Amino acid sequence: GAVVSQHPSWVICKSGTSVKIECRSLDFQATTMFWYRQFPKQSLMLMATSNEGSKATYEQGVEKDKFLINHASLTLSTLTVTSAHPEDSSFYICSARELGWGGNYGYTFGSGTRLTVV
Amino acid sequence: DAKTTQPPSMDCAEGRAANLPCNHSTISGNEYVYWYRQIHSQGPQYIIHGLKNNETNEMASLIITEDRKSSTLILPHATLRDTAVYYCIAANYGGATNKLIFGTGTLLAVQP
Repeated sequence: GAVVSQHPSWVICKSGTSVKIECRSLDFQATTMFWYRQFPKQSLMLMATSNEGSKATYEQGVEKDKFLINHASLTLSTLTVTSAHPEDSSFYICSARELGWGGNYGYTFGSGTRLTVV
Repeated sequence: DAKTTQPPSMDCAEGRAANLPCNHSTISGNEYVYWYRQIHSQGPQYIIHGLKNNETNEMASLIITEDRKSSTLILPHATLRDTAVYYCIAANYGGATNKLIFGTGTLLAVQP
C-alpha cells in the first residue's frame, strides 16, 4: 500500500529558532499534501493544503508566515515552523492524497513529528 | 463537508465485536464515509470507506443505512491492539478541493 514517510519523528528546539519537517510519499506521486496539528487529547486540526508547484492554502487562523510550506516535487512537502515558541509545541502530521481506483481519493498519513520548543 | 457525530468513548471486551456508530445526517450525495483510527502518538491509519453499499475488508466492515444518514464500523473480533481513537469522516470524492476534516472521534478501549 501507499506509504508516507515523515521526518523527524521528534525534535526539540530552542525558542526563536526554526524547524523543518519533511513529508515524502514513497511509492506514489502526490500532487496534494496536507498538514495537520494535534494538541494533547485533541483531534487533528487541518493547517494547510500543499499543492505541488503552487502556493499552499492555509486554513482560517493559521499564520502562513509562521508555518511555511513548500511542495517542490510530486513526492516531497516540507513544513517549516519559523521563530518557534513554546506554544508551537505540538504533534504535526502530514497526509498525502492519491487518486485511487474508482475515481475517489485515498489519504495516507505520516507517522507524525513531535515538536517541543524550550 | 458534512459534520459527523460520534460517541466520545466506548468499551469492548477482547474477542468480541466492536460496533462504532457514526451519525452524518447532513451527508450529501457525493460524499463518501471514511473511517480512520489513531493509536496513541501515531499518524491516523486508514480502515475503510464507502458511499452507499456495505463494505468489508480485512480490517473491518462498514454498514451504511439506506438513507445514508448514519453508519456503523464493525471490528469483528477486537483485540487489545485495536484500542485507539476512531474517526468517522464524510468527505467529497474526486474534487480538487477534497480534504479530510477530523471530528472528535470515539476512543475505543478494548478490555482484556
